Amino acid sequence: EVQLVESGGGLVQPGGSLRLSCAASGFSVSSNYMNWVRQTPGKGLEWVSVIYRDGSTYYAESEKGRFSISRDKSKNTLYLQMNSLRAEDTAVYYCARSLVVVRGPDYYYYMDVWGKGTTVTVSS
Amino acid sequence: DIQMTQAPSSLSASVGDRVTITCRASQSISNYLNWYQQKPGKAPKLLIYAASSLESGVPSRFSGSGSGTDFTLTISSLQPEDFATYYCQQSYSTPLFTFGPGTKVDIK
Repeated sequence: EVQLVESGGGLVQPGGSLRLSCAASGFSVSSNYMNWVRQTPGKGLEWVSVIYRDGSTYYAESEKGRFSISRDKSKNTLYLQMNSLRAEDTAVYYCARSLVVVRGPDYYYYMDVWGKGTTVTVSS
Repeated sequence: DIQMTQAPSSLSASVGDRVTITCRASQSISNYLNWYQQKPGKAPKLLIYAASSLESGVPSRFSGSGSGTDFTLTISSLQPEDFATYYCQQSYSTPLFTFGPGTKVDIK
């Protein structure tokens, strides 16, 4: 069964750090495009970061320099290292796999498998 | 950055109703548009990709249309399990995805 399970969320003080994990089963994290997406009541769903099959990484502007996405092939696990955390980083964090469908010159990306999410609360 | 809007933000409907949700992009995104359904406490679930392609296993009462800046998700006959929040997402500016603010569908 294709599945993603996040862990590592919790309560952290402003300025602190946290590392989220996302364990995959049924497919290889290293062979897929893997994302982190967060959800807050105020801002809805917000894409955070992605790591491509070739190891390239990309971040939303507000997370650049603070967050780092990585993966461990041997553990088939995706990570999100979050530093200098702020109150506005409080959210449910989901990991999600992106698939791509190619039709001629067009590449259509979409997120087909999601984890259940892990909650991060940044508060003193 | 590409901004996504949705209308309405919420709607009340009855089982059997035809429901239409609109999504608009701040610039043309061709047909790089996905739709997701989310129920309370659950992760989003993919319904439609590339504006009109139905994800495997999704009931055929769901359909998507549109191109450019204006898109529509239609539920032809609303079922009890369809009461949820629906989000559009653009993938034109991949890897920078953007989601719409969501449309909540509840019971009239």
